[in-house]
Formats: sequence, C-alpha cells, structure tokens
Amino acid sequence: NSKVIQTPRYLVKGQGQKAKMRCIPEKGHPVVFWYQQNKNNEFKFLINFQNQEVLQQIDMTEKRFSAECPSNSPCSLEIQSSEAGDSALYLCASSLLGNERLFFGHGTKLSVL
Amino acid sequence: GDKVKQSPSALSLQEGTNSALRCNFSIAATTVQWFLQNPRGSLMNLFYLVPGTKENGRLKSAFDSKESYSTLHIRDAQLEDSGTYFCAAEAMSNYNVLYFGSGTKLTVEP
Repeated sequence: NSKVIQTPRYLVKGQGQKAKMRCIPEKGHPVVFWYQQNKNNEFKFLINFQNQEVLQQIDMTEKRFSAECPSNSPCSLEIQSSEAGDSALYLCASSLLGNERLFFGHGTKLSVL
Repeated sequence: GDKVKQSPSALSLQEGTNSALRCNFSIAATTVQWFLQNPRGSLMNLFYLVPGTKENGRLKSAFDSKESYSTLHIRDAQLEDSGTYFCAAEAMSNYNVLYFGSGTKLTVEP
C-alpha cells in the first residue's frame, strides 16, 4: 500500500543522546508529516513540510527536535537530547496535497533508556 | 478533551461476521481517513472521505459532517482484518494536522 520508507526500524538511546531517524516519502509526494504515536495510541503531530519548507511545527519540535527535508535527500527528524518521555513510534507520512490521503511508513520505534 | 472519540476500543469477531466501528467528532471535521495498523506498526490507508460514502471490497465507510461522525463497516470478517483501526479527521481550524481517534483493536477469530 505505502512506499514511504523509514529507517531505522528500531532505535535505542540513552537519556541525553541524540536520536536521528530518516524518511523517504513516496515518489512525487511533496508534503511530508511527522507524527509521534505513544504506547496509549495517542498521535501527536510534530511537523510538516511542503518540499523543503516547514509548514507548521509544534512547540516541542521547535525546542528539542529538529527536522528537515532537503532536496534529493531523505527527510530527517532528530531529537537533540533524548528524554524517557520521547520513547514512542515515530511515523512519517507523505501526500500529494495537504492532508489528502496520507501514506505512512512503518515507523521508527524509539526507546530511550 | 477528545476531539475524536472512537468506539469500541476493542472488538472480537468470528470469521465471516459483520461489524461497524464509529468515530464521533467534537471538531468541525472536513475530511476523514481510516487506517489499519498491523502489529509491526505499519499504517495502511483504507479510505479518504469527504462527506459521503465509499466502498472497497468488504469495507464500506461513511462520513456525515453535519452529524459529525464516521463509520467503518466490515463485512464477512477475515483473519487478515485483525489489527488496530484508526480514524483521523482534518478540521477547519487547522488544515496541517490530522486528529486521530484512540483506535479499535479488532481480533478476528476462526
């Protein structure tokens, strides 16, 4: 169904360490989203891009998270200093237009010990 | 509070039976999507809906924006339908974000 590729599948970090994950959106999709899904199945929007430009990001993303979608390279999401509360499944999604029919990758499961 | 209330939270079905999942919205939802997440985490897009109905094989979904709800009907449930179903709505207040329900964990038994 989806051709969004996320790496790595699993990521284990200690508190205070950097955690970086990558996403290749579906070919031809200019819009990319990052969501965080916690163990209670709560989804939190983090940031989205149209091509290389940030459309919207939440406060949490602005402070400890950094993300980019450079041209001709995978998109990335990096947590500068991991905290235990960051342990979650990080999902990347892409679409042709806005929120119209999102396609998600398998996610990166981050465990912060 | 919950912008999207999804019910039931869990459901067990015998193979071959039918059921329906529901999402109620406290936001002014403009579009709805339904996803199926398998145990490995992969989210598969089942439907993208503007107000109205769509059907795909044994699945049928409806979205009523005036009454603020959406349903997903599963007909003749199969083992491979097992997983967690999520609805997600786009709202007039913010077109950048999807608001997700808390999921329905479906188990189909032989």
